[in-house]
Amino acid sequence: DAGVTQSPTHLIKTRGQHVTLRCSPISGHKSVSWYQQVLGQGPQFIFQYYEKEERGRGNFPDRFSARQFPNYSSELNVNALLLGDSALYLCASSLALHPSTDTQYFGPGTRLTVL
Amino acid sequence: AQTVTQSQPEMSVQEAETVTLSCTYDTSESDYYLFWYKQPPSRQMILVIRQEAYKQQNATENRFSVNFQKAAKSFSLKISDSQLGDAAMYFCAYRRANTNAGKSTFGDGTTLTVKP
Repeated sequence: DAGVTQSPTHLIKTRGQHVTLRCSPISGHKSVSWYQQVLGQGPQFIFQYYEKEERGRGNFPDRFSARQFPNYSSELNVNALLLGDSALYLCASSLALHPSTDTQYFGPGTRLTVL
Repeated sequence: AQTVTQSQPEMSVQEAETVTLSCTYDTSESDYYLFWYKQPPSRQMILVIRQEAYKQQNATENRFSVNFQKAAKSFSLKISDSQLGDAAMYFCAYRRANTNAGKSTFGDGTTLTVKP
């Protein structure tokens, strides 16, 4: 079975531009979470979506938005890119919203570089 | 807010030896879960081991075991019989119970080098 997939693998943008990152969860998984991992730091929670609804949001500005589609895939959008948005963006899927012990499976990430 | 601290940015171990990675966390919650994740150079993060706070028994997964000290808010990972494939960045993570499964708080990681 395919794991969590993300596209693109790498992306280079300039300040002020907009970017869309995509994630396909493991088949049957209904929950998708997004994390930002700045070089040298641990992942920071951005969003969680379950059944197409936002179920959690981290401490990120409104420039960050996401959505989940009927097939449970997800997009992360970032507007008005800043240099500080350069990071590895990780997507993680899990079978359900609860229980809390549900295992998260991570994708390989999208490396975003903002120049 | 919960915080997770990994005080060892880098660790190294000789192949076949044992190494312990440290993690401390801060929370006012009594019910939560703790995790160790491994992120190899290929970047795909995988779950190594999980501990439920209500369980006194330390979790074990083959060569990986934890030392969970709830009162001290400490959660260390012991890797026995280290292998070259264990070389990776290791992240300690916290998740509050009775919350959505996706919201985990991670430490900044420990880079583990395994010497042949």
